[in-house]
Amino acid sequence: QSALTQPASVSGSPGQSITISCTGTSSDVGGYNYVSWYQQHPGKAPKLMIYDVSNRPSGVSNRFSGSKSGNTASLTISGLQAEDEADYYCSSYTTSNTPYVFGTGTKVTVL
Amino acid sequence: EVQLVESGGGLVQPGGSLRLSCAASGFTFSNYWMHWVRQAPGKGMVWVSRISGDGSTTSYADSVKGRFTISRDNAKNTLYLQMNSLRAEDTAVFYCARDGSSWDFDSWGQGTLVTVSS
Repeated sequence: QSALTQPASVSGSPGQSITISCTGTSSDVGGYNYVSWYQQHPGKAPKLMIYDVSNRPSGVSNRFSGSKSGNTASLTISGLQAEDEADYYCSSYTTSNTPYVFGTGTKVTVL
Repeated sequence: EVQLVESGGGLVQPGGSLRLSCAASGFTFSNYWMHWVRQAPGKGMVWVSRISGDGSTTSYADSVKGRFTISRDNAKNTLYLQMNSLRAEDTAVFYCARDGSSWDFDSWGQGTLVTVSS
């Protein structure tokens, strides 16, 4: 099972909006609404930011939103803040040998 | 507050064994599936294994099948990963994670580093 494809890096200025893509196949992202997104600051535990494509867990800022079109899911961060600088990973249910696949990861830099 | 604390990582020679532990608190441990996810240095995350709340059902990534064994002790609120026949490519930070509501992982530990090297 190949990892889902994410851009290696995305950057933006404070207050701007950025979007991170996560591209898979019809066996994972495109076939099911089971896409989740995780934020990971250096040396820290990952944190669930979005589940089921577009749902936010309690306590996650509404500046984070998710969507999906075809085989590509997206995470949008609006009103970019310095604290948003981190690595972001998508994940999806998959019908391959293993039930979970992660993305390659995207480093978000706040300029 | 949900807390997951991993331990047991360290340096081990190729072919060696190691047992990781994950102490859980802040929730009813036996009600949740639990997972191990690993992240090689500078790389992305990879799902390793999962176990049902009562311990009766397990599954593994192909890369660890036959070498790793996941288990749990619900009386001790602890998750385990027994790793045998370790290889250099198993070098990674291993995280335990709680199963979320929908094919996601809603809580994670801080991870424990496993280094396989001679």
